[in-house]
Amino acid sequence: QVQLQESGPGLVKPSQTLSLTCTVSGGSISSSSHYWSWIRQPAGKGLEWIGRVYADGSTDYNPSLKSRVTVSVDTSKNQFSLKVSSVTAADTAVYYCAGAARSGSYSFFDHWGQGTLVTVSS
Amino acid sequence: DIQMTQSPSSLSASVGDRVTIICRASQSIDSYLNWYQQKPGKAPKLLIYAASSLQSGVPSRFSGSGSGTDFTLTISSLQPEDFATYYCQQSYTTPYSFGQGTKLEIK
Repeated sequence: QVQLQESGPGLVKPSQTLSLTCTVSGGSISSSSHYWSWIRQPAGKGLEWIGRVYADGSTDYNPSLKSRVTVSVDTSKNQFSLKVSSVTAADTAVYYCAGAARSGSYSFFDHWGQGTLVTVSS
Repeated sequence: DIQMTQSPSSLSASVGDRVTIICRASQSIDSYLNWYQQKPGKAPKLLIYAASSLQSGVPSRFSGSGSGTDFTLTISSLQPEDFATYYCQQSYTTPYSFGQGTKLEIK
């Protein structure tokens, strides 16, 4: 059973860079059946897709965050990572890493990490 | 970007009730629509993908339908464990987007 686990600082100062890592266990991050995404959820609010990375390193980002976001993959460690630069209080949220299965042209998030709360505050 | 709108935003129902949640896309997304259930403090859980396909292990009381811009999630007979928030999500094109959620509460 594939499991995902986020790790990283829970507190980041304004204007600094938020960095999180997701470790995938029970399966290979290099599998062609999945791609890997970051999704966030401010307290009491809905879900926002941040971006995705494929095992070959190719990426797509949400334009609302694109200029500040980098998602990368390290297949040797079975991990993928998120960096968000120049953070503000608006970036305070629970951050989820998720694996998306690909079935033909369809994709859906079938594996999720437990989520990690990141607070932006001085 | 594609906007996803769910209705209602909240819903009160009783155990055993049949419940329907609506999700509308701002443009046609064919059948590229997924449904998730989220309980407090937990990650979302996939229920339905490709508008009507039941994810493995999900009870058959959950069903999805629709295509184009209008979709529904139906729970045929509510169980106590079904009280949660439900989200639709389009996977037609990036940036992927979610509905604002429907909170299902006990009446």
